[in-house]
Amino acid sequence: GAGVSQSPSNKVTEKGKDVELRCDPISGHTALYWYRQSLGQGLEFLIYFQGNSAPDKSGLPSDRFSAERTGGSVSTLTIQRTQQEDSAVYLCASSLADLSFEQYFGPGTRLTVT
Amino acid sequence: AQSVTQLGSHVSVSEGALVLLRCNYSSSVPPYLFWYVQYPNQGLQLLLKYTTGATLVKGINGFEAEFKKSETSFHLTKPSAHMSDAAEYFCAVSKAAGNKLTFGGGTRVLVKP
Repeated sequence: GAGVSQSPSNKVTEKGKDVELRCDPISGHTALYWYRQSLGQGLEFLIYFQGNSAPDKSGLPSDRFSAERTGGSVSTLTIQRTQQEDSAVYLCASSLADLSFEQYFGPGTRLTVT
Repeated sequence: AQSVTQLGSHVSVSEGALVLLRCNYSSSVPPYLFWYVQYPNQGLQLLLKYTTGATLVKGINGFEAEFKKSETSFHLTKPSAHMSDAAEYFCAVSKAAGNKLTFGGGTRVLVKP
């Protein structure tokens, strides 16, 4: 019944550490998206899942970034060996199906790399 | 490739005055166009969308936008600003349902009493 949830809401990590960000989409939504919002780059697409498959990974900025989705539900975005330029708000969105235009966004995870 | 340009990163309006936020897009295919609003420390909320049909689209909170293909524009308007309209607004374009959104740079709206 609830909207898209993301955890943690805030994450502070040291440069070089790995982080995992979690997204719980709206129940029944088959499509899931990750976006990044930063001061320098604005809102950027990262990756799109349909079910557990990722037909579009074109926005992942480097091989330090990866994402998976299990059971057609929860998704995890992993950033390895974090860099200061990874500091941003990571937003997750979900939608009902390929036929739906409306993406519902979560509140985001604010990542700060020190 | 698609792109979206929002003119003006900051707009200041008086309460009760017209709100006009400009959005121009480029797209190699018929576009699907969106306006989202983001309140502080919150995610994005869909205001309105144009997919097909009527080019004047009405959304939530009294906002509307008009798709003008000849001008490649999708400007957002509200006749009378309210203090609660203070937020950041994003125009976005998509190629199809289920496709990723490409966003403009955003316009932050300040409403003066």
